[in-house]
Amino acid sequence: SQELEQSPQSLIVQEGKNLTINCTSSKTLYGLYWYKQKYGEGLIFLMMLQKGGEEKSHEKITAKLDEKKQQSSLHITASQPSHAGTYLCGADRQNFVFGPGTRLSVLP
Amino acid sequence: DAGVIQSPRHEVTEMGQEVTLRCKPISGHDYLFWYRQTMMRGLELLIYFNNNVPIDDSGMPEDRFSAKMPNASFSTLKIQPSEPRDSAVYFCASRYTGELFFGEGSRLTVL
Repeated sequence: SQELEQSPQSLIVQEGKNLTINCTSSKTLYGLYWYKQKYGEGLIFLMMLQKGGEEKSHEKITAKLDEKKQQSSLHITASQPSHAGTYLCGADRQNFVFGPGTRLSVLP
Repeated sequence: DAGVIQSPRHEVTEMGQEVTLRCKPISGHDYLFWYRQTMMRGLELLIYFNNNVPIDDSGMPEDRFSAKMPNASFSTLKIQPSEPRDSAVYFCASRYTGELFFGEGSRLTVL
């Protein structure tokens, strides 16, 4: 099984709607990274969370880390077509591993 | 900085041929990672280097795959002989501390 699990696998939302993507680790999280990937392109770094309870925001995207639950969530407020893509969480354990990704579609 | 540079961007080859993928990391970064991405298996770590030394190659699928980093500014991933199941997008990433910086990837198709 994968070290990092993400839910949902895919998501289709109407423009303007809020949404949440979750990432769960089977091991203790010491650092959790969120990336976005558009089809056919490389991964773009969004945010890094290191401390339990930490929350970071960039524009309309907010990420939180719950260390005790070994979980992180990524929340997008008032989604736009530009938010479409695949979101991946990654864990820093020297051998940097990634979850399977959540594919987001935003309908105009 | 130009970012992580990978070549070729696209490669189409026939089964049995040798394939070499190239990566130039960001200057000053001392970690380099090679990943493979497929629809079925997602993003898999193949191998990573620290200061040009391979640290963990447990993700390399089999002996047909090899990776080298002769100096701090260049790495190669070689597949010999290639097979259709090797078709995937191969990514190189580098870091100093914190986040990884990814290249645009090399899309490999083995016929």
